[in-house]
Amino acid sequence: EAQVTQNPRYLITVTGKKLTVTCSQNMNHEYMSWYRQDPGLGLRQIYYSMNVEVTDKGDVPEGYKVSRKEKRNFPLILESPSPNQTSLYFCASSPKPHGEKLFFGSGTQLSVL
Amino acid sequence: AQRVTQPEKLLSVFKGAPVELKCNYSYSGSPELFWYVQYSRQRLQLLLRHISRESIKGFTADLNKGETSFHLKKPFAQEEDSAMYYCALGDMRFGAGTRLTVKP
Repeated sequence: EAQVTQNPRYLITVTGKKLTVTCSQNMNHEYMSWYRQDPGLGLRQIYYSMNVEVTDKGDVPEGYKVSRKEKRNFPLILESPSPNQTSLYFCASSPKPHGEKLFFGSGTQLSVL
Repeated sequence: AQRVTQPEKLLSVFKGAPVELKCNYSYSGSPELFWYVQYSRQRLQLLLRHISRESIKGFTADLNKGETSFHLKKPFAQEEDSAMYYCALGDMRFGAGTRLTVKP
């Protein structure tokens, strides 16, 4: 089944403890992206990747890192999480970087204490 | 700056009433616009895109370049339409979303 898989679904951590949220897609999509969803603010793009080894900042990149070593994987890394990064995170992929439908993962609810 | 604006954070209608979710955009050139829907506890999924001009679950949206709008409409709302709706540009930027509640 064609899908975007995110793990974990829920994560509780403490300030400063490095964490990684994984994202994988099996559709050979070139474009992948990370969003955070906050009440009243909607979906805001954190980072995106046009292809392997090509990543760029979105609208809210501070405090996050990403890597795209393989086409299928696009992990989101929080080197030193802070409470303001408590949010619902979504990974998404698309065949092309513009004008195409986005396929979303099921989300990761992160709480930073 | 290219952006999408959804002026209503919350919208509540009764079952069977018409519903319109507003979306305005700012974009240089010919925009590509999408509506995504997120039902409770589910992932976002595409509802419709302007180039396909098709109706999904009774929803339609017309691109109005003069008013720079892409409002989502349905003539008779159903309870199962209760969800979060996002308007998005082709460059993967999203609006803040509108939470629609359809009351029985």
